[in-house]
Amino acid sequence: QTVVTQEPSLTVSPGGTVTLTCASSTGAVTSDYYPGWFQQKPGQAPRALIYSTTNKHSWTPARFSGSLLGGKAALTLSGVQPEDEAEYYCLLYYGGAQLVFGGGTKLTVL
Amino acid sequence: EVQLVESGGGLVQPGRSLTLSCGASGFTFDDYAMHWVRQAPGKGLEWISGISWNSGRIGYADFVKGRFTISRDNAKNSLYLQINRLRVEDTALYFCTKDNYSTLVTNPRRTMDVWGQGTTVTVSS
Repeated sequence: QTVVTQEPSLTVSPGGTVTLTCASSTGAVTSDYYPGWFQQKPGQAPRALIYSTTNKHSWTPARFSGSLLGGKAALTLSGVQPEDEAEYYCLLYYGGAQLVFGGGTKLTVL
Repeated sequence: EVQLVESGGGLVQPGRSLTLSCGASGFTFDDYAMHWVRQAPGKGLEWISGISWNSGRIGYADFVKGRFTISRDNAKNSLYLQINRLRVEDTALYFCTKDNYSTLVTNPRRTMDVWGQGTTVTVSS
């Protein structure tokens, strides 16, 4: 069974920079896994932020960026705002018809 | 406005069956693949299943093991998920999501760009 692993929790100061990562139990994450990132705030549905490693949606704030880092997918927030406090999930595609979410990272802005 | 509205959730006894529905509006439904994702109370997101625009390609998560069936009716702009032999561990908020591509193949456009608000399924005796 494929497992996608994220940091359970991270803390960042307002205005700071933080990087969340996403690893696959099958090996290095590459662009062929088309990594995506989602933000979910309490009581709300998830919202897509990044797709296909680096691509932003029209609604994605400029301070969010996606990349590959050391064999993992990564989401970097630069100039963190208080409203960025949320749970973040990555999503990997295994051959198109198999998708697996990571366990999520709870980001605290403190 | 692009919108997905799930329905059909509720309190169900273990072993029973349930069919969830998702109504789509604001976009050309039969241009896109669709998915079901669930979230157990206090837990993370779990992809359940996806279906291509014409139902020609379907994928299921490993845990499904034949108990879940995804389907769609493009004439009704609707997506469905049938769950059989419900278990307590199926208790979750079930989301319907829109893919940004037509079928379940690797493609750089793939994402879940629209989400419904979910419908809650509680399995309990």
